[in-house]
Amino acid sequence: EAQVTQNPRYLITVTGKKLTVTCSQNMNHEYMSWYRQDPGLGLRQIYYSMNVEVTDKGDVPEGYKVSRKEKRNFPLILESPSPNQTSLYFCASSGAGREPQHFGDGTRLSIL
Amino acid sequence: SQQGEEDPQALSIQEGENATMNCSYKTSINNLQWYRQNSGRGLVHLILIRSNEREKHSGRLRVTLDTSKKSSSLLITASRAADTASYFCATIHPNAGGTSYGKLTFGQGTILTVHP
Repeated sequence: EAQVTQNPRYLITVTGKKLTVTCSQNMNHEYMSWYRQDPGLGLRQIYYSMNVEVTDKGDVPEGYKVSRKEKRNFPLILESPSPNQTSLYFCASSGAGREPQHFGDGTRLSIL
Repeated sequence: SQQGEEDPQALSIQEGENATMNCSYKTSINNLQWYRQNSGRGLVHLILIRSNEREKHSGRLRVTLDTSKKSSSLLITASRAADTASYFCATIHPNAGGTSYGKLTFGQGTILTVHP
């Protein structure tokens, strides 16, 4: 089954403790992206990757890192999480940047 | 900053009625996409309209695009209770050099409630 898998689905952690949210897709997609969703603000793009070793900033990249060492994986790294990064995060992939996105089920992060 | 903005923010209708949602954007686009999100779940792609198209249909969905007004509308005809969800438009933008299209901007969404 074609899917985008995010882990963990839920995480409560404390300020400053590094965390990684993994994202994996099994559709051989070149394009992958991370978004955060906050009430009243819709979805905002954090980072995207057009292909392996090619990443670029979205609208809200501050406080986040990403890497794209393999085509199927695109982890989101929070080196020193802060409470303002409490949010619902989505990973998505597509064949190319302009094509429809396939979304994961989301990761709800709470930073205390 | 958010480029796509949906209107209205919330829409409540009865089953069988039509629902129309609008999206406005500010800069040139490659295409515009509409997505649906059930509460707390991932978004599901509904329909894509390219910048050189004016109208597109898919089942009970009809999307229009007016690039001169930088706006799009999504019409759901003969709505059903199962159509209750949030609907988002997303616009695709080129990078600074115009060589790739990776930046997506989503609007804040329209919450549609269809009463049985």
